[in-house]
Amino acid sequence: QGQLVESGGGVVQPGRSLRLSCAASGFTFSSHGMHWVRQAPGKGLEWVALIWFDGSKQYYTDSVKGRFIISRDNSKSTVYLQMNSLRADDTAVYYCARYLGLLLTLDIWGQGTTVTVSS
Amino acid sequence: DIVMTQTPLSSPVTLGQPASISCRSSQSLIHSDGDTYLSWLQQRPGQPPRLLIYKISNRFSGVPDRFSGSGAGTDFTLKISRVEAEDVGIYYCMQAAQFPFTFGQGTNLEIK
Repeated sequence: QGQLVESGGGVVQPGRSLRLSCAASGFTFSSHGMHWVRQAPGKGLEWVALIWFDGSKQYYTDSVKGRFIISRDNSKSTVYLQMNSLRADDTAVYYCARYLGLLLTLDIWGQGTTVTVSS
Repeated sequence: DIVMTQTPLSSPVTLGQPASISCRSSQSLIHSDGDTYLSWLQQRPGQPPRLLIYKISNRFSGVPDRFSGSGAGTDFTLKISRVEAEDVGIYYCMQAAQFPFTFGQGTNLEIK
């Protein structure tokens, strides 16, 4: 079945950094790409980033390019999102999700971790 | 970026009655490999999203058969044949034909 558990959220001042983690279990982590998707308070879903199963490629939405870095450690079954130069509009619940590459969809989602950017 | 537009944004439905949600993309979602990568997700109150449908019409594992997806090109539909109380939530379409992946605004399904 598989499970994803995010951590690392919190309250941070504008301009500061935060690193989110997403620990996977119950499936072969190294065989799957991983996404981060966020949801601002009361808003819809926004795709943030994708990393290939082996870490060889990363894709980002324009609003986070140059500020966020997605990475993974397959030995720890963990995907990360390093968030730098945080802004108020980065405030959101951040979900990690497993990528079914052959079907181009996201089939397993974590419960999310909340990031609040505020002075 | 591909813009996904859902209608309606709110759908009050009587229990046991059908519901339908439309999703239109600003560009064709036919991928270079010939497939169309349109998914539907459900987000119940206070919960993370859950995959319902992938590749337009394929129900994901464990999804009740009252959910069905259809469409082609730029126009897609999610139908619930008979709405149950547990179906309350927000429904999103999502395209994965090109980066960045994008979602519709969401449709709030509520019981009358």
